[in-house]
Amino acid sequence: DAGITQSPRYKITETGRQVTLMCHQTWSHSYMFWYRQDLGHGLRLIYYSAAADITDKGEVPDGYVVSRSKTENFPLTLESATRSQTSVYFCASSESRGAGAQSRYFGPGTRLTVT
Amino acid sequence: LAKTTQPISMDSYEGQEVNITCSHNNIATNDYITWYQQFPSQGPRFIIQGYKTKVTNEVASLFIPADRKSSTLSLPRVSLSDTAVYYCLVGGMDTGRRALTFGSGTRLQVQP
Repeated sequence: DAGITQSPRYKITETGRQVTLMCHQTWSHSYMFWYRQDLGHGLRLIYYSAAADITDKGEVPDGYVVSRSKTENFPLTLESATRSQTSVYFCASSESRGAGAQSRYFGPGTRLTVT
Repeated sequence: LAKTTQPISMDSYEGQEVNITCSHNNIATNDYITWYQQFPSQGPRFIIQGYKTKVTNEVASLFIPADRKSSTLSLPRVSLSDTAVYYCLVGGMDTGRRALTFGSGTRLQVQP
């Protein structure tokens, strides 16, 4: 089973460039999430999506844009990358609904460095 | 927002039971409590989830007191491979709570 895949796994970009991180899940889970994890810290929610064409902001959405035209894909775009967005980005999904629908399965992460 | 507090680190030995407590004083009525394990350079892995009382699965137990202001993850007979960072997460998707915030985690070191 493929599960959740993220691409690229590693990315180096320059300040001001647009970058898109891809996330793909093979289970048709309703919920998908994007987190960032900074060195030595826990994860912070950037955006989440309850279904195709339904997205909402998390704790730290500024500087990021998401879309979800298909259930299985949830790309995250940094419109104009800044050094403060250097981080490891994790995508997650969940089949649960309602109050228990917290992130269940995580992808391997994308390590992004903004120079 | 349900802020969580966990010990920064814990040490244990192989074969011992480890209990990690998470404090979440402002947990909301509809919030669930979820625990994750994370190894270096990997995404978190779901361990267990609960709402109240006790939940047990094949790898861990989760104890939640009646007031739900804390929770304890219990790992029976740990091994070296349980060395990892453990996070508790409090929140719920259908309550309009946009922030599902992980705490800073507890770094568990298991020694031989």
